[in-house]
Amino acid sequence: DAKTTQPPSMDCAEGRAANLPCNHSTISGNEYVYWYRQIHSQGPQYIIHGLKNNETNEMASLIITEDRKSSTLILPHATLRDTAVYYCIVSSLYGQNFVFGPGTRLSVLP
Amino acid sequence: GAGVSQSPSNKVTEKGKDVELRCDPISGHTALYWYRQSLGQGLEFLIYFQGNSAPDKSGLPSDRFSAERTGGSVSTLTIQRTQQEDSAVYLCASSPRSGSNNEQFFGPGTRLTVL
Repeated sequence: DAKTTQPPSMDCAEGRAANLPCNHSTISGNEYVYWYRQIHSQGPQYIIHGLKNNETNEMASLIITEDRKSSTLILPHATLRDTAVYYCIVSSLYGQNFVFGPGTRLSVLP
Repeated sequence: GAGVSQSPSNKVTEKGKDVELRCDPISGHTALYWYRQSLGQGLEFLIYFQGNSAPDKSGLPSDRFSAERTGGSVSTLTIQRTQQEDSAVYLCASSPRSGSNNEQFFGPGTRLTVL
C-alpha cells in the first residue's frame, strides 16, 4: 500500500502557481519524499526530492513541514504542458520498492 | 545521451502465448526496475535488480512472470501463458544509485495487449 495520500485531482489556471499537497504521516526518519509526474502516454519523470529541508530546482519547489508528515510540490508558473499525474512517493534513499499510488491528476486550464 | 529504451513499443498476443519484453537501461546504471501500469491505474512494482545482488522479485504477480538481467545491463521480462489480465503497459526504469539521489529514469514502456 502507498505510504502517501494525495487528492485525486486538481485544476490550476495557466500562469498561476500549482500547489500539490501530499500527506505522509508514517514517514520514517531515513525516508525521503520524492515527486514524479507522468504525462499522458509517457513514462514517469523525476521532478524533485527532499529529506527535511525545502528544495528547489528548475522544475519545482518542495516544501516539507517541520514534522515531515506532509509536503507540498509547487510549480511556480504552471503551463499547459504541466498537465499530468503527479506522484508523491516516500522511500529510503536506496529503497528499491517505490510505491506509486494513484497520484494527483493536475489539469492546467487556459 | 541515450535514455532507457524498451522494445517492442507495442505487443499484441493471443491468450496462452509467451512474450518477452526487453529493456536497455542507461549505460552505467546499476539498478533496474520493472513496473506495470494497467489502464487508468498507478504503477505496480514487479522486480528490481541491483548490481550482482539477488533480484527483489517480491512484486511479481505469479510464477508466470520472470525476469533476467544479463551482464548487469539489458533486462528481459518474460510472461508465460499470457492471460487477458496481463494486458498493461510495462515500464522499465534504471537508476545510477549514487550520491544522494536514486532518481529513476523511465523508458517509454511496452504496451501489451492479450486477446
